[in-house]
Amino acid sequence: GAGVSQSPSNKVTEKGKDVELRCDPISGHTALYWYRQRLGQGLEFLIYFQGNSAPDKSGLPSDRFSAERTGESVSTLTIQRTQQEDSAVYLCASSQRGTGLSPLHFGNGTRLTVT
Amino acid sequence: DQQVKQNSPSLSVQEGRISILNCDYTNSMFDYFLWYKKYPAEGPTFLISISSIKDKNEDGRFTVFLNKSAKHLSLHIVPSQPGDSAVYFCAASGQTGANNLFFGTGTRLTVIP
Repeated sequence: GAGVSQSPSNKVTEKGKDVELRCDPISGHTALYWYRQRLGQGLEFLIYFQGNSAPDKSGLPSDRFSAERTGESVSTLTIQRTQQEDSAVYLCASSQRGTGLSPLHFGNGTRLTVT
Repeated sequence: DQQVKQNSPSLSVQEGRISILNCDYTNSMFDYFLWYKKYPAEGPTFLISISSIKDKNEDGRFTVFLNKSAKHLSLHIVPSQPGDSAVYFCAASGQTGANNLFFGTGTRLTVIP
């Protein structure tokens, strides 16, 4: 079956512009996560959805970042007024259950470059 | 504050030999550990996991060892194959929720043919 799909795969934007990143999780997966990986660093947790509610937004780095999810389907991560430090690969993952016992299935990521 | 640490950014191994990737963690509440493998331009893929009630889990050429007292785990790959060349991430979790899944910075493994 289809895996986690992310779009676009690459995005170059000018500093100060807004961007929207999209994630289509695996069908039937109730949990959805956003991570980012900046150059030379590990995966940084951003936000977690269980269904369409977000019980944990603790990883969002600033109020310029927001995310929403429609039901148990598509999620969008929005970054407003992008800054150069937002440049990273943004990874989406889904899992059947929102517990550490359920491995995450990752998409290929969106590489965001802010110039 | 990095709760999961992979202190070796890279490792090179001859084909056929054993690869050993190490990972240390600081939070004693972690009770589930995973290894993910990542190829360039792809997302990480789940490789193997271990619960804190075990000290070893084996799956084919891959074995994960957990030393709870030392807060250390390792991934052994034997025999190593060129296709194993990738970045390997260690991750740790508390069972209360995957939002507690913490990743290390990764180790780039190169298997030399």
